[in-house]
Amino acid sequence: TQLLEQSPQFLSIQEGENLTVYCNSSSVFSSLQWYRQEPGEGPVLLVTVVTGGEVKKLKRLTFQFGDARKDSSLHITAAQPGDTGLYLCAGDEGAQKLVFGQGTRLTINP
Amino acid sequence: SQTIHQWPATLVQPVGSPLSLECTVEGTSNPNLYWYRQAAGRGLQLLFYSVGIGQISSEVPQNLSASRPQDRQFILSSKKLLLSDSGFYLCAWGGGGNQPQHFGDGTRLSIL
Repeated sequence: TQLLEQSPQFLSIQEGENLTVYCNSSSVFSSLQWYRQEPGEGPVLLVTVVTGGEVKKLKRLTFQFGDARKDSSLHITAAQPGDTGLYLCAGDEGAQKLVFGQGTRLTINP
Repeated sequence: SQTIHQWPATLVQPVGSPLSLECTVEGTSNPNLYWYRQAAGRGLQLLFYSVGIGQISSEVPQNLSASRPQDRQFILSSKKLLLSDSGFYLCAWGGGGNQPQHFGDGTRLSIL
């Protein structure tokens, strides 16, 4: 089973600051997905990146897939309290399965 | 539109008791179905997945089993629960590959 390492595991910043979350592996993934999860709920898909070097933007969130398709990053600009949550990256390891990172718990303080 | 139902939302069970968690999907046919367990605030551990009726793949040897008696029904079971079975259990459906997975709201299982 391929592994995905997310960093940092916990991040607490003030409203308006910028942040980056990383998702790294030694393995190549055919695609990578980012999810956001609220307490007591299931994760919800934010974006899927497929092509090496691909950059996708979702309002203040910017997602990048590494050129070698082994890593990805999520950058949030001017963080808002509503961005608080658990962010999970997940890689397609084939055989109809995803492998998930351990998550980044993000807290945005007003 | 597709929806996924998972119940119950919370469950408190004594050690040694049986377990049955049910998940049903509406609005799609022949989905891939998944059971995950999540430790508090952490990532998801894949327990079982199914690509069709009666087809179950187990990812982690453990005290749990899964069944898919109907196309859009996925059941997680145990004959005798252990303390270590406590956790947040999530059901999901997806198309496989780079298709997204869609999650239920989870079941919080506490073993006493």
